[in-house]
Amino acid sequence: DAKTTQPPSMDCAEGRAANLPCNHSTISGNEYVYWYRQIHSQGPQYIIHGLKNNETNEMASLIITEDRKSSTLILPHATLRDTAVYYCIALNAGGTSYGKLTFGQGTILTVHP
Amino acid sequence: GAVVSQHPSRVICKSGTSVKIECRSLDFQATTMFWYRQFPKQSLMLMATSNEGSKATYEQGVEKDKFLINHASLTLSTLTVTSAHPEDSSFYICSAVAQGETQYFGPGTRLLVL
Repeated sequence: DAKTTQPPSMDCAEGRAANLPCNHSTISGNEYVYWYRQIHSQGPQYIIHGLKNNETNEMASLIITEDRKSSTLILPHATLRDTAVYYCIALNAGGTSYGKLTFGQGTILTVHP
Repeated sequence: GAVVSQHPSRVICKSGTSVKIECRSLDFQATTMFWYRQFPKQSLMLMATSNEGSKATYEQGVEKDKFLINHASLTLSTLTVTSAHPEDSSFYICSAVAQGETQYFGPGTRLLVL
């Protein structure tokens, strides 16, 4: 699976959009980009995923560059409850590593009042 | 939808005893479940992949005889930490695959071995 690179930490003001970047320059054609977040002492929460096209759901938007080498997770109106560690993961859709999520260090997002 | 539960949420046991952790998919059937471990201030590390009706596949460095995994049904997988020692104290998290590739995680089980 492709390695992903994220900034170790970011801050955001409550009510503003939080834009979390992720680099995955070695991503292959059959690897999805998945985003999870982990609030302290809880299991990871699925946010969103995509392959090529931009995606949006009730939690966030995912913008994937045309060359697929990077992506941005957007939380449109961050709240204090969005403070968490955010993980960007490239997941192989098939093969022997199918389904195996490799968690990096993620980005610690702190939302300030 | 896609809710995964774990039981217990936390457990304290004496060194040398065995502890069983249950992982259930509550509103979907999961042919595959995963077990992760997370030490303080570290990221999640995959321990094993559990497929219903077959033996689990363990990651390199994870002792299969120490961490027994049973996936008896499409909604239940169990992890038993045998002869637990203080170094096994950790946050154990399971996940289950719902539709397609998306994994949904349980809330985790905090194990403290005294």
